[in-house]
Amino acid sequence: AQSVTQLGSHVSVSEGALVLLRCNYSSSVPPYLFWYVQYPNQGLQLLLKYTTGATLVKGINGFEAEFKKSETSFHLTKPSAHMSDAAEYFCAVRGRGGGFKTIFGAGTRLFVKA
Amino acid sequence: NAGVTQTPKFRILKIGQSMTLQCTQDMNHNYMYWYRQDPGMGLKLIYYSVGAGITDKGEVPNGYNVSRSTTEDFPLRLELAAPSQTSVYFCASSTSRNPAQETQYFGPGTRLLVL
Repeated sequence: AQSVTQLGSHVSVSEGALVLLRCNYSSSVPPYLFWYVQYPNQGLQLLLKYTTGATLVKGINGFEAEFKKSETSFHLTKPSAHMSDAAEYFCAVRGRGGGFKTIFGAGTRLFVKA
Repeated sequence: NAGVTQTPKFRILKIGQSMTLQCTQDMNHNYMYWYRQDPGMGLKLIYYSVGAGITDKGEVPNGYNVSRSTTEDFPLRLELAAPSQTSVYFCASSTSRNPAQETQYFGPGTRLLVL
């Protein structure tokens, strides 16, 4: 069965510092991988996704993530945090078998200090 | 485009009451989804639809019903509300079932409290 683990329910960084949000997955076959962002009182918005090909994926708002099969990880990074990045971030996986089930992690809330 | 809209934004229900959460999308998407988000947890799929007249159960369907009479609308029905259904409900839509091609667009959510 697939699962997703996000390390750290809360992460705090200073404005301008590196953002690193960790995600590890469990799957017998490398799944599709996603990162979503949720701003207060809003629905989820897709940041980026890995489907196939290049393992370094660039998304919106300067975020990127790298798929590492050997580590079963898909960590999200951004070189320089902005105040507007404060939100909750969800890692998610979906199997390649054609089903509709997306497994979401529990989320990591990012705080950005001035 | 308004995208995916949900009503109401917030509702308090008494145990045993029923209600319908409304979801409408104006992007002509065939695929629509209902998720619930419990505190400190990721989203879980309740029901989904691949087109008008076709719906199927997701991961946590018990206590809910859906219908899809039009492409635009995908209401979620709670028949006998229970405290365990206190959650935030998100509706989403997409153009394809293939994650390589699709992006799911989410509504702003309905916060439901059952007392």
